[in-house]
Amino acid sequence: NAGVMQNPRHLVRRRGQEARLRCSPMKGHSHVYWYRQLPEEGLKFMVYLQKENIIDESGMPKERFSAEFPKEGPSILRIQQVVRGDSAAYFCASSKDYKETQYFGPGTRLLVL
Amino acid sequence: DQQVKQNSPSLSVQEGRISILNCDYTNSMFDYFLWYKKYPAEGPTFLISISSIKDKNEDGRFTVFLNKSAKHLSLHIVPSQPGDSAVYFCAVNYNQGGKLIFGQGTELSVKP
Repeated sequence: NAGVMQNPRHLVRRRGQEARLRCSPMKGHSHVYWYRQLPEEGLKFMVYLQKENIIDESGMPKERFSAEFPKEGPSILRIQQVVRGDSAAYFCASSKDYKETQYFGPGTRLLVL
Repeated sequence: DQQVKQNSPSLSVQEGRISILNCDYTNSMFDYFLWYKKYPAEGPTFLISISSIKDKNEDGRFTVFLNKSAKHLSLHIVPSQPGDSAVYFCAVNYNQGGKLIFGQGTELSVKP
């Protein structure tokens, strides 16, 4: 019974490049959430998606960040033209339904040089 | 504005004793409260939750207490074990669903 999968686990990018983070939810889960943890801080909500729909993107930066959860395949968090301040751990969580517990993946650690 | 606060960045406890982790929140509209545990280089792991209609929920060695009038919740671990050493995050949301709002975390160290 696989948990939430995230890849890559570590990603190094130079300033100005693009970063693509992938999240495969647990089997049977159709709700996906992305959170970001900056150094020495707690997790901050970014976006909540259901298959093919963005439900809540109130935590997403207005520029350079986008997320999708297509009908087939993993959810993707895309960061264009990365800057050093984007260096963080990005966690994906999934749940079976809106009111069900969110289970987290191991995270992707993004380092921007 | 920090809506969820864990004022103790760290806590050290002797093995076998009780660990008490605290969390305060500002918005009385929050109605569902959770605790997650996180080891380094891993994602948070769900521990225990409580709805605002209750004031206590127990699961094995873990008990969560909710004081709505004080907007305060706490996690009790008894007896504490060295394997409990981790960062503990409290989290809240509305209507038991959607985005979670996390505290900053408390690093628990249980010494043998």
